[in-house]
Amino acid sequence: AQSVTQPDIHITVSEGASLELRCNYSYGATPYLFWYVQSPGQGLQLLLKYFSGDTLVQGIKGFEAEFKRSQSSFNLRKPSVHWSDAAEYFCAVGAGTGGFKTIFGAGTRLFVKA
Amino acid sequence: NAGVTQTPKFQVLKTGQSMTLQCAQDMNHEYMSWYRQDPGMGLRLIHYSVGAGITDQGEVPNGYNVSRSTTEDFPLRLLSAAPSQTSVYFCASSDEGQPQHFGDGTRLSIL
Repeated sequence: AQSVTQPDIHITVSEGASLELRCNYSYGATPYLFWYVQSPGQGLQLLLKYFSGDTLVQGIKGFEAEFKRSQSSFNLRKPSVHWSDAAEYFCAVGAGTGGFKTIFGAGTRLFVKA
Repeated sequence: NAGVTQTPKFQVLKTGQSMTLQCAQDMNHEYMSWYRQDPGMGLRLIHYSVGAGITDQGEVPNGYNVSRSTTEDFPLRLLSAAPSQTSVYFCASSDEGQPQHFGDGTRLSIL
């Protein structure tokens, strides 16, 4: 069965520093992969998605993620973190026919210090 | 723009009671889904639908029922509430498959 692992429960970075959030998935076929962000003021929001093609995908708010099939990973990155990026981030995999069955990881909470 | 509307926002039930969480979207999206969110467990898929009349089970379907008689509505029914169903419930819709638009959530407590 498909699954998603986010190894870090929480991460703290300084404002202006770079960020990488880890995500590993388990799925037998080529996965559809996603990152979501949940913040108190804006609810749940889709950051970016990977279906096929270029393994480096760009998303909203300056985020990007890289799909590495050999490592079963889809890590999220941002070159310079802003205080407003503090939130909870979820990696997800779309499974089943058409990828409609979207399974989420447990999440990583990001804290940003001044 | 209404987007995805969930009602109620808060609800307290007693064990054994039944209730329906409502979800409506006005974007003519084919795909809709229900998730529950519990601390430390992320969002877990309860049921999903790929169009009117078509539903399927997610990761944690037991104790929940759904139907999709129209494109707009996707209600979630708790058949006999249990304390383990205390959670925050999110409905989502999409025109691509993966959730794109989420409701604001329903916070449900079962006593």
